[in-house]
Amino acid sequence: GAVVSQHPSRVICKSGTSVKIECRSLDFQATTMFWYRQFPKQSLMLMATSNEGSKATYEQGVEKDKFLINHASLTLSTLTVTSAHPEDSSFYICSARDIAGGPSGELFFGEGSRLTVL
Amino acid sequence: KQEVTQIPAALSVPEGENLVLNCSFTDSAIYNLQWFRQDPGKGLTSLLLIQSSQREQTSGRLNASLDKSSGRSTLYIAASQPGDSATYLCAVMDSSYKLIFGSGTRLLVRP
Repeated sequence: GAVVSQHPSRVICKSGTSVKIECRSLDFQATTMFWYRQFPKQSLMLMATSNEGSKATYEQGVEKDKFLINHASLTLSTLTVTSAHPEDSSFYICSARDIAGGPSGELFFGEGSRLTVL
Repeated sequence: KQEVTQIPAALSVPEGENLVLNCSFTDSAIYNLQWFRQDPGKGLTSLLLIQSSQREQTSGRLNASLDKSSGRSTLYIAASQPGDSATYLCAVMDSSYKLIFGSGTRLLVRP
């Protein structure tokens, strides 16, 4: 099946610093990628939709200036958590949709990135 | 607004039992429904994808059904094994092509 790679898998940073998480589709092209956040023992909550070559669409309640998303190519989207605070500590997961599958095609998920802000 | 609910929230069964996990959604206007498995601290593994025009999908010991009109799906696991222990997530793709997740069922299969 299609592979989505996330990096880093774990990151620890100090409060106030910025952290960048990468999401790559390894064997397919993705015009659309999605970023989710998951708190302990809770489900995945959609943060934003990343569109190649255009601005991301953020869900209600998600600060776009805090969670910067860049989708510069058909295989890479990045999420930058700016001025991170302890409450941003969470598990961030990306997913990507294969262009060939159309808009309602299957989504493939990365392994997730655990962010801990001290 | 689409809402996805999973029942039960947690389930503990002895090895070998057949079990059913339930998922319900409020808006029947969906493109597809997916069942995922998530191990602790890990990402998601896709188990089964059911398109809105389909009634069920099968993969090995897993069978998922979809009744779109009533907003329900079930995941049936036959002859459960300790290795099946994980959290199972149900997600529907809504009319805006977004995947909306349920809160999951935490399954423990006891040896």
